[in-house]
Amino acid sequence: EVQLVESGGRLVQPGGSLRLSCAASGFSFSNYWMSWVRQSPGKGLQWLANINRDGSEEYYLDSVKGRFTISRDNAKSSVYLQMNSLRAEDTAVYYCARAIAVALDYWGQGTLVTASS
Amino acid sequence: DIVMTQSPLSLPVTPGEPASISCRSSQSLLHSNGNNYLVWYLQKPGQSPQVLIYLGSNRASGVPDRFSGSGSGADFTLEISRVETEDVGVYYCMQALHTPLTFGQGTRLEIK
Repeated sequence: EVQLVESGGRLVQPGGSLRLSCAASGFSFSNYWMSWVRQSPGKGLQWLANINRDGSEEYYLDSVKGRFTISRDNAKSSVYLQMNSLRAEDTAVYYCARAIAVALDYWGQGTLVTASS
Repeated sequence: DIVMTQSPLSLPVTPGEPASISCRSSQSLLHSNGNNYLVWYLQKPGQSPQVLIYLGSNRASGVPDRFSGSGSGADFTLEISRVETEDVGVYYCMQALHTPLTFGQGTRLEIK
């Protein structure tokens, strides 16, 4: 059974940093691209970033490029999202998802990030 | 970026009745391979999104056959032939043709 479990979300002050983790199981992790998507009440679902199978290619939403970094560790079957210079508008539930050519086919349960003073 | 527009945004339905959701994209989602890169998701209350339909009209594994997707190019429809109470939630379309992947605003289906 495919499982994706996110962690690391918490309350953080604006301007702060946070690293989210997503542990994968139930499939051959190194064979899949992975993505991060967030959901906030004001903006619905918003794709943030993709990373390819070996971590050599990364793609980002323009509005987070330079602040967020996606990475992966295939030995640990994990994908990460490093978030810097956090703003109030980054407050959201953050999901990791498995990316296939035609869809984001499996999603984790999400982790809540709150950027507030 | 490709803009996805759904309608209606709210959909009250009586159980056993049909329902239909429209999704339009700001540019064609038809790939040169002949496939439309359009996905439908359902996000049930308190859950993460789950795939219903991919490539515009292919039901994902385990999805009941009362769900069907149709359309091509920039105009797509999700139909539920007979709504059941378990179908309550928010339905999203997503284009998977180009990054950034983009989603519609969501359609909230509720039971009358």
